[in-house]
Amino acid sequence: DTAVSQTPKYLVTQMGNDKSIKCEQNLGHDTMYWYKQDSKKFLKIMFSYNNKELIINETVPNRFSPKSPDKAHLNLHINSLELGDSAVYFCASSQVTRGQLFFGSGTQLSVL
Amino acid sequence: KNEVEQSPQNLTAQEGEFITINCSYSVGISALHWLQQHPGGGIVSLFMLSSGKKKHGRLIATINIQEKHSSLHITASHPRDSAVYICAVEGGSQGNLIFGKGTKLSVKP
Repeated sequence: DTAVSQTPKYLVTQMGNDKSIKCEQNLGHDTMYWYKQDSKKFLKIMFSYNNKELIINETVPNRFSPKSPDKAHLNLHINSLELGDSAVYFCASSQVTRGQLFFGSGTQLSVL
Repeated sequence: KNEVEQSPQNLTAQEGEFITINCSYSVGISALHWLQQHPGGGIVSLFMLSSGKKKHGRLIATINIQEKHSSLHITASHPRDSAVYICAVEGGSQGNLIFGKGTKLSVKP
């Protein structure tokens, strides 16, 4: 069983579209994260949720909206996609805030 | 200047060599993470440490809080160790992770 699974693995879409990336963890962890890895492979945190509550919201355009229906899921919705949103998005979880991280396999988003 | 600096950026080694990757940071931290990103893109957490030294198999991570420096050592390197190694520090009240730019390691047979 995959510990942290995110779908889809690849997402190709046109500018202006709205898309979602789903993330689920079966580790029983309390905290989940979204990270963005840019074309230079630099990672940066976007959001963190602890027990469905938002605890970190970095300077991310409000076109990006995370949603956590329960503590095992943290989905990422992106509205009005722009070329600059092309990147790899990683979901991760940890047992507690400030714990060892477990990553999903990443979603490569390409905006054309 | 980045808050987390790694060196070297790129490293090529022969199989069997002892490898050291360095990480220096300029902020107060609660913990430091070492991550490994394979050529296929997946990221694995290797270590999380806040003091001293940790060992797992051929990998050893050390941290010196006073000097704001950490090292990742790989003993008896193997081609399967080829990956990007990323240092990340936990800072701030919420424990935000701040990442280094990574060290790309290539181990030749």
